[in-house]
Amino acid sequence: GNSVTQMEGPVTLSEEAFLTINCTYTATGYPSLFWYVQYPGEGLQLLLKATKADDKGSNKGFEATYRKETTSFHLEKGSVQVSDSAVYFCALGGSNFGNEKLTFGTGTRLTIIP
Amino acid sequence: GAVVSQHPSRVICKSGTSVKIECRSLDFQATTMFWYRQFPKQSLMLMATSNEGSKATYEQGVEKDKFLINHASLTLSTLTVTSAHPEDSSFYICSARKIAGGGDTQYFGPGTRLTVL
Repeated sequence: GNSVTQMEGPVTLSEEAFLTINCTYTATGYPSLFWYVQYPGEGLQLLLKATKADDKGSNKGFEATYRKETTSFHLEKGSVQVSDSAVYFCALGGSNFGNEKLTFGTGTRLTIIP
Repeated sequence: GAVVSQHPSRVICKSGTSVKIECRSLDFQATTMFWYRQFPKQSLMLMATSNEGSKATYEQGVEKDKFLINHASLTLSTLTVTSAHPEDSSFYICSARKIAGGGDTQYFGPGTRLTVL
């Protein structure tokens, strides 16, 4: 079955540092890949997505590239801000059109200190 | 926008009672909603897929008689935890699927924390 392995946290960085949160997956077919973010006290929000190999999703300075050869979808940001402090979830969707039945990683808590 | 609400945000109940959690899509219609459960420091686990006008589809290992799901309208799905026990204590999160303008995205509610005493 599908599975997502995500870098364990918590991760603490200084403001303006470079961020990488690793995510690898196991799936049959050609799934869609997602990063969701959960800010304190709020629900999950879609941060970015990629639907096929070599696609790069990007949003709010974050980006991730769908790497089929390494089955990875690592999240990166060049310069983090305090407001980026949140829990980040990597997720995998079905290979059909759309993102039914998401499979989530365990989440990575990120804290950015001024 | 695409906003999903859940009510209540937090509930504490006695063992043996039933608890109903509502999930609403506030500004879009959703023929499909999903219910997830999240244990502390663990991932979200899909419990069931709720389809408007038909029976929910439960994931393997999820008791359908214990977790009753009703998708009453295109904007409302409810999850009822029947005869709740302490092991049912968890964080329950719903999402609603929005298909529009060539896009297909799940929007999540803020979650409901259930504590069974």
